[in-house]
Amino acid sequence: EIVLTQSPATLSLSPGERATLSCRASQSVSNNLAWYQQKPGQAPKLLIYGASNRATGIPARFSGSGSGTDFTLTISSLEPEDFAVYYCQQRSNWPPSSFGPGTKVDIK
Amino acid sequence: EVELLESGGDLVQPGGSLRLSCEASGFTLTKYAMSWVRQPPGKGLEWVSAISADGGSFFYADSVTGRFTISRDNSKNTLYLQMTSLRAEDTAAYYCAKLTSSSYAPRNYFDSWGQGTLVTVSS
Repeated sequence: EIVLTQSPATLSLSPGERATLSCRASQSVSNNLAWYQQKPGQAPKLLIYGASNRATGIPARFSGSGSGTDFTLTISSLEPEDFAVYYCQQRSNWPPSSFGPGTKVDIK
Repeated sequence: EVELLESGGDLVQPGGSLRLSCEASGFTLTKYAMSWVRQPPGKGLEWVSAISADGGSFFYADSVTGRFTISRDNSKNTLYLQMTSLRAEDTAAYYCAKLTSSSYAPRNYFDSWGQGTLVTVSS
């Protein structure tokens, strides 16, 4: 089973700052990786799929990059509504569809 | 607008059973694979199970294989998760999610999620 690790566990930033989140896979997942955002008390929301494609309705300040084992989610300028937990998910090896442990972006 | 509404979560004793339902609306359920994902309180996401659009293929995490059964009734626009031999470690919010195609194959993602239903396994 492919294991995903995310870093940092917590990222403390101010609105307007740039956020860079990392996801690393234990073996290559090609570009079969997604990013989800989850706010307290809410369901996860698909942000990025195929490593770099924004889902429908996702603002352009969110971007994804990477392939193989190393991936990055970048939020170019944090808005107040962006403070949340972000999970990566691989969809390369299956049936298991593993998620990373998450990165919490909180207000500094 | 896609809507997924889970129900059936409850407090159940270890060894007990429960059936979760997920009612879908706003899209044609027969065209999409579906999945269950769970989240223990205060913890991360864990994929549980998935089923193809026609119900002919299904998949389970090792942690639930032999205890959970996924099914769907497309005529009722509803996805189910039958859970038996429940354990304390099954305590979680259970989300149903819609995939981006009819298959659970790689390169398909979870593009819509319900709000979840809470299952608590405790004596």
